[in-house]
Amino acid sequence: AQSVTQPDIHITVSEGASLELRCNYSYGATPYLFWYVQSPGQGLQLLLKYFSGDTLVQGIKGFEAEFKRSQSSFNLRKPSVHWSDAAEYFCAVGARTTDSWGKLQFGAGTQVVVTP
Amino acid sequence: EAQVTQNPRYLITVTGKKLTVTCSQNMNHEYMSWYRQDPGLGLRQIYYSMNVEVTDKGDVPEGYKVSRKEKRNFPLILESPSPNQTSLYFCASSDPGNTEAFFGQGTRLTVV
Repeated sequence: AQSVTQPDIHITVSEGASLELRCNYSYGATPYLFWYVQSPGQGLQLLLKYFSGDTLVQGIKGFEAEFKRSQSSFNLRKPSVHWSDAAEYFCAVGARTTDSWGKLQFGAGTQVVVTP
Repeated sequence: EAQVTQNPRYLITVTGKKLTVTCSQNMNHEYMSWYRQDPGLGLRQIYYSMNVEVTDKGDVPEGYKVSRKEKRNFPLILESPSPNQTSLYFCASSDPGNTEAFFGQGTRLTVV
Protein backbone atom coordinates (compact mmCIF):
# COMPACT_ATOMS: atom_id res chain seq x y z
CA ALA A 1 0.00 0.00 0.00
CA GLN A 2 1.10 3.52 -0.70
CA SER A 3 2.10 5.53 2.33
CA VAL A 4 3.98 8.58 3.46
CA THR A 5 5.66 8.61 6.86
CA GLN A 6 6.87 11.60 8.78
CA PRO A 7 8.49 10.00 11.83
CA ASP A 8 8.69 13.17 13.89
CA ILE A 9 5.37 14.52 15.10
CA HIS A 10 6.93 17.45 16.90
CA ILE A 11 10.34 19.13 16.70
CA THR A 12 11.66 21.97 18.81
CA VAL A 13 14.60 23.94 17.46
CA SER A 14 16.42 27.07 18.57
CA GLU A 15 16.37 30.09 16.35
CA GLY A 16 19.49 30.06 14.19
CA ALA A 17 19.97 26.31 14.48
CA SER A 18 19.63 23.92 11.59
CA LEU A 19 16.48 21.94 10.91
CA GLU A 20 15.89 18.61 9.23
CA LEU A 21 12.48 17.07 8.76
CA ARG A 22 12.27 13.47 7.68
CA CYS A 23 9.95 11.96 5.10
CA ASN A 24 9.83 8.38 3.87
CA TYR A 25 7.44 7.02 1.33
CA SER A 26 6.28 3.68 0.09
CA TYR A 27 5.22 3.76 -3.53
CA GLY A 28 5.16 1.51 -6.57
CA ALA A 29 7.39 3.82 -8.54
CA THR A 30 9.16 7.10 -8.00
CA PRO A 31 6.38 9.58 -7.36
CA TYR A 32 6.30 13.32 -7.52
CA LEU A 33 7.45 14.65 -4.14
CA PHE A 34 6.42 17.80 -2.33
CA TRP A 35 6.86 19.66 0.89
CA TYR A 36 4.11 22.00 2.04
CA VAL A 37 4.05 24.35 5.01
CA GLN A 38 0.99 25.38 6.96
CA SER A 39 1.27 28.39 9.23
CA PRO A 40 -1.30 28.77 12.00
CA GLY A 41 -4.72 29.52 10.56
CA GLN A 42 -3.43 29.43 7.01
CA GLY A 43 -3.73 27.19 4.01
CA LEU A 44 -0.92 25.10 2.59
CA GLN A 45 1.96 26.74 0.81
CA LEU A 46 4.28 24.79 -1.46
CA LEU A 47 7.89 24.95 -0.29
CA LEU A 48 9.45 22.82 -3.00
CA LYS A 49 8.86 19.88 -5.29
CA TYR A 50 10.78 17.12 -7.00
CA PHE A 51 9.73 15.82 -10.38
CA SER A 52 12.99 14.63 -11.93
CA GLY A 53 16.61 15.58 -12.46
CA ASP A 54 18.84 16.96 -9.73
CA THR A 55 18.02 15.19 -6.50
CA LEU A 56 18.81 18.25 -4.38
CA VAL A 57 15.92 20.65 -4.73
CA GLN A 58 15.90 24.27 -3.66
CA GLY A 59 12.72 25.86 -2.46
CA ILE A 60 11.40 29.06 -1.05
CA LYS A 61 12.27 30.56 2.34
CA GLY A 62 15.76 29.00 2.28
CA PHE A 63 14.56 25.38 2.37
CA GLU A 64 16.03 22.52 0.42
CA ALA A 65 15.24 18.83 0.16
CA GLU A 66 17.13 15.82 -1.07
CA PHE A 67 15.56 12.89 -2.84
CA LYS A 68 17.25 9.59 -2.08
CA ARG A 69 15.79 6.81 -4.18
CA SER A 70 17.67 4.04 -2.35
CA GLN A 71 16.17 5.15 0.96
CA SER A 72 12.76 6.22 -0.38
CA SER A 73 13.29 9.47 1.44
CA PHE A 74 12.77 13.15 0.75
CA ASN A 75 14.08 15.01 3.78
CA LEU A 76 13.65 18.75 4.18
CA ARG A 77 16.44 20.94 5.54
CA LYS A 78 17.14 24.52 6.45
CA PRO A 79 20.58 25.67 7.64
CA SER A 80 19.37 28.37 10.01
CA VAL A 81 15.77 28.64 11.17
CA HIS A 82 13.93 31.86 11.84
CA TRP A 83 11.11 32.34 14.33
CA SER A 84 8.74 32.67 11.36
CA ASP A 85 9.50 29.06 10.39
CA ALA A 86 7.35 27.82 13.26
CA ALA A 87 4.58 25.94 11.47
CA GLU A 88 3.40 22.50 10.51
CA TYR A 89 5.17 20.83 7.62
CA PHE A 90 3.70 18.19 5.38
CA CYS A 91 5.44 15.84 3.01
CA ALA A 92 3.29 14.66 0.11
CA VAL A 93 3.64 12.35 -2.86
CA GLY A 94 1.76 12.38 -6.13
CA ALA A 95 1.33 9.64 -8.69
CA ARG A 96 2.87 9.88 -12.13
CA THR A 97 0.17 7.72 -13.70
CA THR A 98 -2.51 9.40 -15.79
CA ASP A 99 -5.38 7.82 -13.91
CA SER A 100 -4.36 9.28 -10.57
CA TRP A 101 -1.98 12.12 -11.34
CA GLY A 102 -3.89 14.70 -9.37
CA LYS A 103 -4.12 12.90 -6.06
CA LEU A 104 -1.70 13.72 -3.29
CA GLN A 105 -0.93 11.39 -0.41
CA PHE A 106 0.13 13.29 2.68
CA GLY A 107 2.16 12.42 5.71
CA ALA A 108 0.75 13.15 9.16
CA GLY A 109 2.77 16.33 9.48
CA THR A 110 5.60 17.60 11.69
CA GLN A 111 4.96 20.51 14.02
CA VAL A 112 8.00 22.75 14.31
CA VAL A 113 8.43 25.01 17.33
CA VAL A 114 11.17 27.64 17.27
CA THR A 115 12.56 28.85 20.59
CA PRO A 116 14.49 32.09 21.11
CA GLU B 1 -3.94 36.61 -8.83
CA ALA B 2 -4.08 32.83 -9.12
CA GLN B 3 -6.08 31.45 -6.26
CA VAL B 4 -8.45 28.89 -4.87
CA THR B 5 -11.26 30.42 -2.85
CA GLN B 6 -13.29 28.57 -0.27
CA ASN B 7 -16.34 29.79 1.59
CA PRO B 8 -17.11 29.97 4.37
CA ARG B 9 -13.84 29.98 6.33
CA TYR B 10 -15.57 28.99 9.55
CA LEU B 11 -18.84 27.20 10.06
CA ILE B 12 -20.61 25.83 13.12
CA THR B 13 -23.69 23.76 12.43
CA VAL B 14 -25.92 21.19 14.05
CA THR B 15 -26.14 17.50 13.33
CA GLY B 16 -28.29 16.73 10.32
CA LYS B 17 -28.52 20.21 8.84
CA LYS B 18 -27.42 20.13 5.22
CA LEU B 19 -24.56 22.41 4.29
CA THR B 20 -22.43 23.30 1.30
CA VAL B 21 -18.86 24.52 1.24
CA THR B 22 -18.01 26.28 -1.98
CA CYS B 23 -14.71 26.16 -3.84
CA SER B 24 -13.73 28.20 -6.86
CA GLN B 25 -10.45 28.43 -8.79
CA ASN B 26 -9.39 30.98 -11.39
CA MET B 27 -6.54 29.05 -13.00
CA ASN B 28 -8.62 27.00 -15.46
CA HIS B 29 -7.36 23.82 -13.80
CA GLU B 30 -8.96 20.55 -14.81
CA TYR B 31 -8.32 18.70 -11.58
CA MET B 32 -9.97 19.67 -8.31
CA SER B 33 -10.22 17.85 -5.03
CA TRP B 34 -11.33 18.08 -1.43
CA TYR B 35 -9.26 17.06 1.56
CA ARG B 36 -9.96 16.95 5.24
CA GLN B 37 -7.24 17.55 7.79
CA ASP B 38 -7.34 15.91 11.19
CA PRO B 39 -4.66 15.96 13.91
CA GLY B 40 -2.19 13.13 13.52
CA LEU B 41 -3.66 12.06 10.20
CA GLY B 42 -2.48 14.75 7.84
CA LEU B 43 -4.71 15.48 4.87
CA ARG B 44 -6.90 12.80 3.38
CA GLN B 45 -8.66 13.07 0.07
CA ILE B 46 -12.45 13.03 0.16
CA TYR B 47 -13.46 13.40 -3.50
CA TYR B 48 -11.82 14.54 -6.66
CA SER B 49 -12.82 15.64 -10.14
CA MET B 50 -10.72 15.27 -13.27
CA ASN B 51 -12.97 17.55 -15.32
CA VAL B 52 -16.50 18.86 -15.67
CA GLU B 53 -19.08 16.19 -14.80
CA VAL B 54 -16.31 13.72 -13.87
CA THR B 55 -16.02 13.01 -10.16
CA ASP B 56 -14.80 10.07 -8.10
CA LYS B 57 -14.29 9.00 -4.52
CA GLY B 58 -11.08 9.58 -2.67
CA ASP B 59 -10.00 7.82 0.48
CA VAL B 60 -12.72 9.06 2.88
CA PRO B 61 -15.87 9.80 0.84
CA GLU B 62 -18.55 8.59 3.27
CA GLY B 63 -21.01 11.30 4.23
CA TYR B 64 -19.98 13.70 1.47
CA LYS B 65 -21.15 14.61 -2.01
CA VAL B 66 -19.64 16.77 -4.71
CA SER B 67 -20.59 18.14 -8.09
CA ARG B 68 -18.64 19.65 -10.97
CA LYS B 69 -21.00 21.49 -13.28
CA GLU B 70 -18.50 24.16 -14.21
CA LYS B 71 -14.76 23.93 -14.52
CA ARG B 72 -14.04 26.57 -11.93
CA ASN B 73 -16.37 25.38 -9.14
CA PHE B 74 -16.32 22.26 -7.02
CA PRO B 75 -18.69 22.45 -4.04
CA LEU B 76 -18.59 19.99 -1.16
CA ILE B 77 -21.97 18.95 0.17
CA LEU B 78 -22.74 17.40 3.53
CA GLU B 79 -26.33 16.18 3.30
CA SER B 80 -26.59 15.21 6.97
CA PRO B 81 -23.51 16.32 8.89
CA SER B 82 -22.41 14.40 11.94
CA PRO B 83 -19.94 15.33 14.69
CA ASN B 84 -17.25 13.06 13.20
CA GLN B 85 -17.17 15.40 10.23
CA THR B 86 -15.85 18.17 12.42
CA SER B 87 -12.59 18.94 10.68
CA LEU B 88 -10.56 21.40 8.64
CA TYR B 89 -11.38 21.13 4.95
CA PHE B 90 -9.23 22.13 2.01
CA CYS B 91 -10.05 22.46 -1.63
CA ALA B 92 -7.22 22.10 -4.15
CA SER B 93 -6.74 22.37 -7.89
CA SER B 94 -4.04 21.36 -10.36
CA ASP B 95 -3.42 20.68 -14.04
CA PRO B 96 -2.57 17.50 -15.99
CA GLY B 97 1.09 16.60 -15.88
CA ASN B 98 1.77 19.05 -13.10
CA THR B 99 0.62 17.59 -9.83
CA GLU B 100 1.53 20.71 -7.88
CA ALA B 101 -1.70 21.46 -6.10
CA PHE B 102 -2.90 24.91 -5.18
CA PHE B 103 -4.86 24.99 -1.97
CA GLY B 104 -7.60 27.19 -0.64
CA GLN B 105 -7.38 28.81 2.79
CA GLY B 106 -9.42 26.09 4.43
CA THR B 107 -12.83 25.82 6.03
CA ARG B 108 -13.03 24.93 9.68
CA LEU B 109 -16.26 23.04 10.23
CA THR B 110 -17.70 22.19 13.62
CA VAL B 111 -20.74 19.92 13.85
CA VAL B 112 -22.46 19.90 17.23
